[in-house]
Amino acid sequence: ETGVTQTPRHLVMGMTNKKSLKCEQHLGHNAMYWYKQSAKKPLELMFVYNFKEQTENNSVPSRFSPECPNSSHLFLHLHTLQPEDSALYLCASSQIGLAGQYEQYFGPGTRLTVT
Amino acid sequence: AQSVTQPDIHITVSEGASLELRCNYSYGATPYLFWYVQSPGQGLQLLLKYFSGDTLVQGIKGFEAEFKRSQSSFNLRKPSVHWSDAAEYFCAVGGSGGSNYKLTFGKGTLLTVNP
Repeated sequence: ETGVTQTPRHLVMGMTNKKSLKCEQHLGHNAMYWYKQSAKKPLELMFVYNFKEQTENNSVPSRFSPECPNSSHLFLHLHTLQPEDSALYLCASSQIGLAGQYEQYFGPGTRLTVT
Repeated sequence: AQSVTQPDIHITVSEGASLELRCNYSYGATPYLFWYVQSPGQGLQLLLKYFSGDTLVQGIKGFEAEFKRSQSSFNLRKPSVHWSDAAEYFCAVGGSGGSNYKLTFGKGTLLTVNP
């Protein structure tokens, strides 16, 4: 595998279900991100992990719970979601250095539908 | 706070015609600038980036962009569009300050290519 992979690619879940999204990066990067992309809205940054430590939580509801066990893996645990949470969830990674931000590399996304 | 404006929501061009997608940014210091492309149902792919140096940067798929500090712009260009270029294009800005791990994205420009 190369780059950033995400599983599953598609997920349909009821509002009472619990599911998890998985992201894995094969680039040796030290930072990972979760974004939400809804129709007609700009890309929304949800969470950032830098060296496995969460450094950003962009006022995301507690029904979304991130987990970063190591610098290569990132999970998004979902429970009691709402229909408005239906969106494309994108994972990205980057190498953050002293000189500043570098480009982010994205996975293909998980298309989530909440029924 | 940093911000990005992509004034054109939707652009239609004929195959073989030239293309220019506009991007204006707001950032207090020297910005890092990026263009990404997204095909339907896919993640974002990096087209090109500007950190410093030559203000005209070349990217993949025959795209180029020019950084104009005086106009706070970073417009994307291609001399001859191919049908496969139909996609959504996002401009993003990052920086070297304390929040150097974050990118701010524009709302995107959807490109349609007519045969």
